[in-house]
Amino acid sequence: GAVVSQHPSWVICKSGTSVKIECRSLDFQATTMFWYRQFPKQSLMLMATSNEGSKATYEQGVEKDKFLINHASLTLSTLTVTSAHPEDSSFYICSASDSGSSSYEQYFGPGTRLTVT
Amino acid sequence: GIQVEQSPPDLILQEGANSTLRCNFSDSVNNLQWFHQNPWGQLINLFYIPSGTKQNGRLSATTVATERYSLLYISSSQTTDSGVYFCAVIAQGGSEKLVFGKGTKLTVNP
Repeated sequence: GAVVSQHPSWVICKSGTSVKIECRSLDFQATTMFWYRQFPKQSLMLMATSNEGSKATYEQGVEKDKFLINHASLTLSTLTVTSAHPEDSSFYICSASDSGSSSYEQYFGPGTRLTVT
Repeated sequence: GIQVEQSPPDLILQEGANSTLRCNFSDSVNNLQWFHQNPWGQLINLFYIPSGTKQNGRLSATTVATERYSLLYISSSQTTDSGVYFCAVIAQGGSEKLVFGKGTKLTVNP
């Protein structure tokens, strides 16, 4: 149980285009999902907290107009990187916690590797 | 905000050796998780352990919440244990944000 999927697993796009990444909780409902970014040989950095049915909360320094987050259902959150540039190339990972559990445990998706050329 | 420090940053072992990874945190926590990040980037949940001791096969973990540290023990290490081990916590106080340490890179040589 507690499986989180991400799609796509990797994507290459041209500079100036937009890319959408999906994060799904497959066997539980998630009121809250989280989006992280990881650069090579570094730790995970929280970008934003995605709340079902409301606006996302972004961490300081993260451009909300560049990284659009939508959490339209209890099992799906999407991250859209708009007008992507080479510096946006990174590994993006989502996580979710089970809304039906009193535990704070979070489950992570397999990640999406974005390369902007 | 809460600070999470992991040690050592790098660890090289021979297959069969045992190891202990440490995670110190600066404030009280609601959640502490240990992860193994495999070569493809997937974070594997090892333990959810805000307090107490748990064991799963060759791995075990202990969190002493009152002293603000957690230990991850790996016994009889195998080459497949190589990778980066992260500790992450959620501070008490209402936020659900998981704060990560910088990780311990483990290399197990045959």
